[in-house]
Amino acid sequence: NAGVTQTPKFQVLKTGQSMTLQCAQDMNHNSMYWYRQDPGMGLRLIYYSASEGTTDKGEVPNGYNVSRLNKREFSLRLESAAPSQTSVYFCASRLDGNNEKLFFGSGTQLSVL
Amino acid sequence: DAKTTQPTSMDCAEGRAANLPCNHSTISGNEYVYWYRQIHSQGPQYIIHGLKNNETNEMASLIITEDRKSSTLILPHATLRDTAVYYCIVYTGTASKLTFGTGTRLQVTL
Repeated sequence: NAGVTQTPKFQVLKTGQSMTLQCAQDMNHNSMYWYRQDPGMGLRLIYYSASEGTTDKGEVPNGYNVSRLNKREFSLRLESAAPSQTSVYFCASRLDGNNEKLFFGSGTQLSVL
Repeated sequence: DAKTTQPTSMDCAEGRAANLPCNHSTISGNEYVYWYRQIHSQGPQYIIHGLKNNETNEMASLIITEDRKSSTLILPHATLRDTAVYYCIVYTGTASKLTFGTGTRLQVTL
């Protein structure tokens, strides 16, 4: 039981390049989330998904797209990376229902030059 | 989901109790109070949660006021390893926007 797995752990991009951050969970969770964390700041919600095939915008969705093709995986895509997207990205998941906590991945550190 | 307000930072001497407050004055009746912490740049880790009763587990205690508008996380004997950012958030059981504030940076000192 690996929990929430994010790949890659580190990535350096040039401005304008595209890439996809991968997230997978093996806990049969319904809901999945993408957050970004800038240095010295809190977590900000980018997108979330309540179930397979559905996604909704969070607080800071501009410049990102997401895909929830199946229950396990929730990917985050940067179509044209900008230096302002330099951040640490965290994926999280949880079951629906009361008493259900969030489980987080270990993060992806992204630098856009 | 209700918003929360926490102090930006707090200090605590090692071995003493750390009491971290959180205001959630707009909390609704079916929203739970959850606490997470983030050590350095790791992914946040669950600590404890509750609805209206006080709760205790091996990591901490959670005290929720009777009107549920605020709560306090208590680390009974803080150690240097408890130095972290602590987040208080409130949410229901159904899928929803789970937004974190900036949290409280707790520094435990010798």
